[in-house]
Amino acid sequence: DTAVSQTPKYLVTQMGNDKSIKCEQNLGHDTMYWYKQDSKKFLKIMFSYNNKELIINETVPNRFSPKSPDKAHLNLHINSLELGDSAVYFCASSQLGAGEKLFFGSGTQLSVL
Amino acid sequence: AQTVTQSQPEMSVQEAETVTLSCTYDTSESDYYLFWYKQPPSRQMILVIRQEAYKQQNATENRFSVNFQKAAKSFSLKISDSQLGDAAMYFCAYRGYQKVTFGTGTKLQVIP
Repeated sequence: DTAVSQTPKYLVTQMGNDKSIKCEQNLGHDTMYWYKQDSKKFLKIMFSYNNKELIINETVPNRFSPKSPDKAHLNLHINSLELGDSAVYFCASSQLGAGEKLFFGSGTQLSVL
Repeated sequence: AQTVTQSQPEMSVQEAETVTLSCTYDTSESDYYLFWYKQPPSRQMILVIRQEAYKQQNATENRFSVNFQKAAKSFSLKISDSQLGDAAMYFCAYRGYQKVTFGTGTKLQVIP
């Protein structure tokens, strides 16, 4: 059973389109995250939700909108896609707390043409 | 804000030898945790080892161990008896209460 699953694994789309990435965790965790990994492999946090409430919102264009319908799901919707949005997007979850490790999904590779 | 620095973009090691990956961090928090994650070509992020800042004893997991120097804010990873399967990107990470901040990564090549 996959602990953190995100779909799709690959997403190829044209500039200007709108797309969504879905994430679900079956670990009973309180907190979920979206990270962006760029072409240089740098991982940067975008958003974090705890029990459906937004707790971290880094400097991300407002074309990116996370939505958490319940604490097991955190989806990412991206409007008006740009070339610079091409990256791997990782969903992760954990219990809230300094010592808790992150459990990652397998990533979604987004290519904007 | 916390920052994590990995000064070695790439490293290589002969199979069965030992290699050390460096990491330094900056924080004003007193309670935090440090992690090393491995990302093989499959892209999956895998936890290698975890260190509690309040513990002086260095964490060890089989062939992986850390050298944690709290005063120097240094957290290096030692891989002993390197294996071909250790080839991957390695990320050092800092966790305060809410957020995990990652370093820029070190790409480890294992030479047969």
